Amino acid sequence: KAGVTQTPRYLIKTRGQQVTLSCSPISGHRSVSWYQQTPGQGLQFLFEYFSETQRNKGNFPGRFSGRQFSNSRSEMNVSTLELGDSALYLCASSIGLAGPQETQYFGPGTRLLVL
Amino acid sequence: AQKVTQAQTEISVVEKEDVTLDCVYETRDTTYYLFWYKQPPSGELVFLIRRNSFDEQNEISGRYSWNFQKSTSSFNFTITASQVVDSAVYFCALGYGGNKLVFGAGTILRVKS
Repeated sequence: KAGVTQTPRYLIKTRGQQVTLSCSPISGHRSVSWYQQTPGQGLQFLFEYFSETQRNKGNFPGRFSGRQFSNSRSEMNVSTLELGDSALYLCASSIGLAGPQETQYFGPGTRLLVL
Repeated sequence: AQKVTQAQTEISVVEKEDVTLDCVYETRDTTYYLFWYKQPPSGELVFLIRRNSFDEQNEISGRYSWNFQKSTSSFNFTITASQVVDSAVYFCALGYGGNKLVFGAGTILRVKS
């Protein structure tokens, strides 16, 4: 079974621009979660999508948004980029039916650098 | 609020030494789930183990073992006879509230040959 895939793997943007990251979950998984990893804040939960609906949300500003398509693929968008948005963005997938007991499987991440 | 603490920022050992990574968690939930993930330099988080709050049995998988103690809110991870390939960042995480994970800060493990 193919794992979680994320595109692009690396991205360089400038302040004020917007960016869209993509995540394809493991086949059969309907939940996709996004996490931001920075040296200062560590790994932080952004949001989770299940059946095309945002089911959980972390404490991030509205500049961070996402969506999920009918095939469970998910995109994450960050508008008006700031230097502090430079991070590794990780996507994780799970079946999505059993709550916190489910194991989340992570993709390789997209490394975003904002200049 | 949920919180995970990994007090060891970095550990260096010589190959074949045993090493224990500490994890202490805080939660008011009676049902919760604990995880360990490994992050090699490539960046991808690799799942190692899941444990639920009702199962305090220790687990061993090859050179890896986990010690879960509810009385001290700890879920420690031991690597026996460490190898250079074990070098990575290891994260302990607590699953709660739907499908959310709260992670500890991670422990960098360096295994030298």
